[in-house]
Amino acid sequence: AQSVDQPDAHVTLSEGASLELRCSYSYSAAPYLFWYVQYPGQSLQFLLKYITGDTVVKGTKGFEAEFRKSNSSFNLKKSPAHWSDSAKYFCALEGQVYGNEKITFGAGTKLTIKP
Amino acid sequence: ETAVFQTPNYHVTQVGNEVSFNCKQTLGHDTMYWYKQDSKKLLKIMFSYNNKQLIVNETVPRRFSPQSSDKAHLNLRIKSVEPEDSAVYLCASSRRGEVFFGKGTRLTVV
Repeated sequence: AQSVDQPDAHVTLSEGASLELRCSYSYSAAPYLFWYVQYPGQSLQFLLKYITGDTVVKGTKGFEAEFRKSNSSFNLKKSPAHWSDSAKYFCALEGQVYGNEKITFGAGTKLTIKP
Repeated sequence: ETAVFQTPNYHVTQVGNEVSFNCKQTLGHDTMYWYKQDSKKLLKIMFSYNNKQLIVNETVPRRFSPQSSDKAHLNLRIKSVEPEDSAVYLCASSRRGEVFFGKGTRLTVV
């Protein structure tokens, strides 16, 4: 079984602060991990992914994420945060079901950046 | 640039009616999905199709049925809608875990 946990439903920060959105996962094999962003009124957009190699991966819009196998985490970071980063962020994990990919999303974290 | 196309964008219907949503992807991906996003923006997978074969059918009510004519199309039919079916339905396709989403179909059941 595979699962993704985003423990913070809401995060509020001031513009210019450093943001870190938490994500932990459970999966028996090597995970493929992803972050997606959903702006108000829009569909989800891909931000970044970790497959293998460097544990810090850089994505679009100035975001990066760090994979930590020791505590099964894949936290999303950005510094400084901008008011336009206000959105909902989803962490996702790709596993395998009968040899085919299965993608599981976390519940999401709503990020609000105050100007 | 949109590569996963969903129709309609919105649909309002009465309890007990049948509805169908269409989805087409132009990315050449083998895997397509239907997700349901509720009012709290929680995202739940409903179906996963890989090259026209149903791979994952999460515990959704039997009134929901996916329909696929080829790997580029994955439609969703709801046989008799209920109020709790009101949500945004997102179609997606993927390759190597990178998922591309359509803009969604917002269903309102009155």
